[in-house]
Amino acid sequence: DADVTQTPRNRITKTGKRIMLECSQTKGHDRMYWYRQDPGLGLRLIYYSFDVKDINKGEISDGYSVSRQAQAKFSLSLESAIPNQTALYFCATSGAQGGPTGDTQYFGPGTRLTVL
Amino acid sequence: QKEVEQNSGPLSVPEGAIASLNCTYSDRGSQSFFWYRQYSGKSPELIMFIYSNGDKEDGRFTAQLNKASQYVSLLIRDSQPSDSATYLCAVRRSGGYQKVTFGIGTKLQVIP
Repeated sequence: DADVTQTPRNRITKTGKRIMLECSQTKGHDRMYWYRQDPGLGLRLIYYSFDVKDINKGEISDGYSVSRQAQAKFSLSLESAIPNQTALYFCATSGAQGGPTGDTQYFGPGTRLTVL
Repeated sequence: QKEVEQNSGPLSVPEGAIASLNCTYSDRGSQSFFWYRQYSGKSPELIMFIYSNGDKEDGRFTAQLNKASQYVSLLIRDSQPSDSATYLCAVRRSGGYQKVTFGIGTKLQVIP
């Protein structure tokens, strides 16, 4: 079984709809992240969470919200989807160990979201 | 200036050749450097990390780091068609929690 899973894998929705993307992990990591990937722009951080009570905005959090329901679950919501939120969304996890390899990111399979 | 810069490519190399992928970064406080491989439509997977100046080898892959020049590279020896993918460079500062910043990736095409 995959260590980091995302549901749904593909979603087509309409402008104005509320959408939730879910992420679960069995790696036992404390830290979880949501990224979006757009052609020519690379991976950009939306939100990150160090534990259930610690949630932080990333570089592009406007229009998004998150919920950390448990150590293993981190969901991303688009309250009112708009076409420029069409992208590939990745959940990632990392351990909290220090040192030079701390926060090495491990990615889920991604969700392709299309907003019409 | 972007924090992490990569040429988007595509970089085309013949099968069996050495592919050289390059990355520069702007923050001299950067400590850790990662290379991820991403097949089209798939998620990034970690290939290697490096944090000391010099070379680090793992099978057909060699990561090279030059902190003075703020430059990190990935060499792929004996390139195979299965190496065709986008390679993402990622950089992390030292100290406490520091976010990982990704480059846009270089698309590699290995021609049979």
